[in-house]
Amino acid sequence: GQQLNQSPQSMFIQEGEDVSMNCTSSSIFNTWLWYKQDPGEGPVLLIALYKAGELTSNGRLTAQFGITRKDSFLNISASIPSDVGIYFCAGQRTGANSKLTFGKGITLSVRP
Amino acid sequence: GAVVSQHPSRVICKSGTSVKIECRSLDFQATTMFWYRQFPKQSLMLMATSNEGSKATYEQGVEKDKFLINHASLTLSTLTVTSAHPEDSSFYICSAAPGQGVLYGYTFGSGTRLTVV
Repeated sequence: GQQLNQSPQSMFIQEGEDVSMNCTSSSIFNTWLWYKQDPGEGPVLLIALYKAGELTSNGRLTAQFGITRKDSFLNISASIPSDVGIYFCAGQRTGANSKLTFGKGITLSVRP
Repeated sequence: GAVVSQHPSRVICKSGTSVKIECRSLDFQATTMFWYRQFPKQSLMLMATSNEGSKATYEQGVEKDKFLINHASLTLSTLTVTSAHPEDSSFYICSAAPGQGVLYGYTFGSGTRLTVV
């Protein structure tokens, strides 16, 4: 099935640095979601975006819903060791309870 | 906040046996729940959409007789892996949405690690 495009597969940063992750699609989504998954756990919702152009923050995290509705980015500022994990973007089309389409995920490593 | 509980977290079973995984929404009602499968270092692959009171909708390539889904109440969906084989070993995750899913995002369970020996 279709997947959203996330690259690179892995990112390595120094503690305290900012990092930006992008997610793109060839088709439009009406909702964009960013999740973080720790090893052996289910994904946890970080930020949900519902309108094109929307910019939303959650603590050190900021995400934007692209104006074309085909992309989104997630910024993490002042990274800390517990930011380590896999970050997935997900898109949802119209309709309540409609299924999500996931990106392949980016594994983030933070060097102390 | 919305909490989804998944049980068991880990299960080891013998080849040929069946395993049931439960997904419960603890503090909300979910008319729709989703079941995913995840292989190591890969993304979540949607297996089926579980609808309360009706048949589940399976994704292409997923065997409905192999992966039985029952969504008998607004707070519980179960996935039964029938006649399990080693290739069914994987991480299975469920998710559910409170209220109108499009407004709230989906909450995921903590996953079930199935090992078939």
